[in-house]
Amino acid sequence: QKEVEQDPGPLSVPEGAIVSLNCTYSNSAFQYFMWYRQYSRKGPELLMYTYSSGNKEDGRFTAQVDKSSKYISLFIRDSQPSDSATYLCAMSDGYGNKLVFGAGTILRVKS
Amino acid sequence: NAGVTQTPKFQVLKTGQSMTLQCAQDMNHNSMYWYRQDPGMGLRLIYYSASEGTTDKGEVPNGYNVSRLNKREFSLRLESAAPSQTSVYFCASSDTGGPVSEQFFGPGTRLTVL
Repeated sequence: QKEVEQDPGPLSVPEGAIVSLNCTYSNSAFQYFMWYRQYSRKGPELLMYTYSSGNKEDGRFTAQVDKSSKYISLFIRDSQPSDSATYLCAMSDGYGNKLVFGAGTILRVKS
Repeated sequence: NAGVTQTPKFQVLKTGQSMTLQCAQDMNHNSMYWYRQDPGMGLRLIYYSASEGTTDKGEVPNGYNVSRLNKREFSLRLESAAPSQTSVYFCASSDTGGPVSEQFFGPGTRLTVL
């Protein structure tokens, strides 16, 4: 079993929809949770960063962490075609600045 | 600032050939990383360097070697390429201002081993 599980999709939604992307993990030592966005043939870029449990909002994006369930989510409101990308969750126990990545979910937003 | 740069962008090798992937960053970061990305597998850490002069194995180090040439540069070498090393390779760098810092990624090198 992988430490971090993420449905690879693809997830296809119409423009304006609310998108929910999720990851589950098995290592209870993870405390730092990130979402990276990767456009086709580009390197990943950090989108959201949260520590421990709770919610964090940035514009149309909300990151949610539930450590009791070992489950993290990224919500995208009013999705746009420019949001079409692969979304990778990543997490760390805080030692050595090493990240464990999920497989990534391919999102396609249709106009 | 160019950020993280990688060369080459594309490479085709025959089984048994060797090559070095180059990475440089201009953000004065202490830590640098090499990942490979395969379909359905996400990013997997090959090697990392927490600071100049140090390197450590990651999740999938077999078949690779690294050199932290100086603070800016971190190279990845394949001594005898195998088809299983066909992948997209990403270099990343980060500061060490806190327990977990944002990693900045390069554009990647697409490697095919025939």
